[in-house]
Amino acid sequence: GQNIDQPTEMTATEGAIVQINCTYQTSGFNGLFWYQQHAGEAPTFLSYNVLDGLEEKGRFSSFLSRSKGYSYLLLKELQMKDSASYLCAVRALYGQNFVFGPGTRLSVLP
Amino acid sequence: EAGVAQSPRYKIIEKRQSVAFWCNPISGHATLYWYQQILGQGPKLLIQFQNNGVVDDSQLPKDRFSAERLKGVDSTLKIQPAKLEDSAVYLCASTQTGIQTYEQYFGPGTRLTVT
Repeated sequence: GQNIDQPTEMTATEGAIVQINCTYQTSGFNGLFWYQQHAGEAPTFLSYNVLDGLEEKGRFSSFLSRSKGYSYLLLKELQMKDSASYLCAVRALYGQNFVFGPGTRLSVLP
Repeated sequence: EAGVAQSPRYKIIEKRQSVAFWCNPISGHATLYWYQQILGQGPKLLIQFQNNGVVDDSQLPKDRFSAERLKGVDSTLKIQPAKLEDSAVYLCASTQTGIQTYEQYFGPGTRLTVT
């Protein structure tokens, strides 16, 4: 089975940097994904890590340590529109199914 | 490229009634997923199809939920009879097998309220 943990809520200020952590325990691993979900909308893909290290994509970066079962999503130069839930998901080694974490609700304040 | 289509967008039913949701994935996407997302939680996988075959339905409450993808394209998810705890958003997603990242594309979801 797989278990994924994320903080429930976080608050940050416009223009700041925020790091959202994700820890996972899995019997098989074939990639970790981050999705953004605005209230009332479907999740949209942000980033993907399958090897250890940092992946950078504009204002968003994601880090993975497979040995520690740990990932984080880093958001820089926060904007009000970044207020959303951020979902960490692990893809299984076989079958390609995904297990999602509970999500972290981020509020960006002016 | 058209996205994942779902209908209806909203549905309100009474407990013990039945309901069906429809999903049309992105053209060419062989893998289709149905998720249940309860308010404040992450999506929970109900069933995964590869073409018209079931890959994983271990979390599908089979006494009341059923799903099919007869021609390997669009899919329907049915609940019969519905319970209050089935109130949730039902998300359909698809992936293009063979592409390295296997990124999922989600539809807009169907918000179900059971009263």
